[in-house]
Amino acid sequence: EDKVVQSPLSLVVHEGDTVTLNCSYEVTNFRSLLWYKQEKKAPTFLFMLTSSGIEKKSGRLSSILDKKELFSILNITATQTGDSAVYLCAVKKSSGDKLTFGTGTRLAVRP
Amino acid sequence: ETGVTQSPTHLIKTRGQQVTLRCSSQSGHNTVSWYQQALGQGPQFIFQYYREEENGRGNFPPRFSGLQFPNYSSELNVNALELDDSALYLCASSLLGLEVDEQFFGPGTRLTVL
Repeated sequence: EDKVVQSPLSLVVHEGDTVTLNCSYEVTNFRSLLWYKQEKKAPTFLFMLTSSGIEKKSGRLSSILDKKELFSILNITATQTGDSAVYLCAVKKSSGDKLTFGTGTRLAVRP
Repeated sequence: ETGVTQSPTHLIKTRGQQVTLRCSSQSGHNTVSWYQQALGQGPQFIFQYYREEENGRGNFPPRFSGLQFPNYSSELNVNALELDDSALYLCASSLLGLEVDEQFFGPGTRLTVL
């Protein structure tokens, strides 16, 4: 059965800290790994990673995929209170296929 | 915002009733996927519609059914509601067939079954 495991489940940091969120997966016919940020309702798309070892970056957020060890990390530097959210990792097996999600990491950034 | 819209925003039903949730996909997208997200959990795949046909289904019973219309909008129908159906229902649209085919989510419908 396909599995996506995120850690930690929750995290509390102070503004300015750097955080690393982890996602490991076990799926057959892996195609891509996606990161989403969910604040209230709609998960908003952050990154899609398909190639191993290539870092994707957007402002203070960055992510990298290791297809050999079957994991990805999401880094957030200089955290702000607006980064408080649930961060979801999902894996897609083939074009058009469903996303299999982890349970998410709940990040709280204190002022 | 993604351009994916859902209605209603939230609703309350009682056990045994039926419910229809609606989703309008992002302009240019031809595929709609539906997910159920229980409190504290990640979204769980219900099914996907492409060209008005079901194109994959998750581990949900037949009382969960759907439709896709020629304009690519979609409905999720749930019959004989149970208490455990209480959840946030998300739809996501994408453009099938592209190399880059990430899914974009709507704001969701929060369903409460009493």
